[in-house]
Amino acid sequence: DIQMTQSPSTLSASVGNTVTITCRASQSIDSWLAWYQQKPGKAPKLLIYRASSLQTGVPSRFSGSGSGTEFTLTISNLQPADFATYYCQQYRSYSLAFGGGTKVEIK
Amino acid sequence: EVQLLESGGGLVQPGGSLRLSCTASGFTFSFYTMNWVRQAPGEGLEWVSSITGDGGGTNYADSVKGRFTVSRDNFKNTLYLQMNSLRAEDAAIYYCAKDIPDWGSAFDLWGQGTMVIVSS
Repeated sequence: DIQMTQSPSTLSASVGNTVTITCRASQSIDSWLAWYQQKPGKAPKLLIYRASSLQTGVPSRFSGSGSGTEFTLTISNLQPADFATYYCQQYRSYSLAFGGGTKVEIK
Repeated sequence: EVQLLESGGGLVQPGGSLRLSCTASGFTFSFYTMNWVRQAPGEGLEWVSSITGDGGGTNYADSVKGRFTVSRDNFKNTLYLQMNSLRAEDAAIYYCAKDIPDWGSAFDLWGQGTMVIVSS
């Protein structure tokens, strides 16, 4: 099974900052990677699919890049609504797998 | 309105059974692979199971294989998860989630979740 590793697990940043979260796959997943945002008590929300395609309605300050085994989610001009936990997910093959999550906290 | 609504969660003893339901509205349910994803308290997301639009193909995480069964009724626009031989480690919020209208299983629509508690 493919394992997904996210780093860092926690990130402290200020409004207006640019932050980058990394996700690594244990083997190549081509571009079959999604990113989600989850706020406390809420279901996850899809941000990015196919590694770099922005889901409809998601602000353009979110961007994704990478292919193969290494991927990044970048949030530019961090806004108060962006403080949340972010997960990557591979869908190259079953078993589908999520990364452990990255909590973006207010500095 | 496009939405998913889970139900059926609750308190069950170890070794017991529970059936979760997820009712879909606002989209053509039978067109999409549907999924169950769970989240234990304070933990990350774990994919549980998937079922193709026609119900003919299923996949399971190793942690639930042989104990959980996913099914769907496309006439009722409803997804199910039959959970047997429940263990303490199955306690979680269970979400149903819809595949994106693109190749592969990324999830563009999620329900609000239903809580499963496994305790004696």
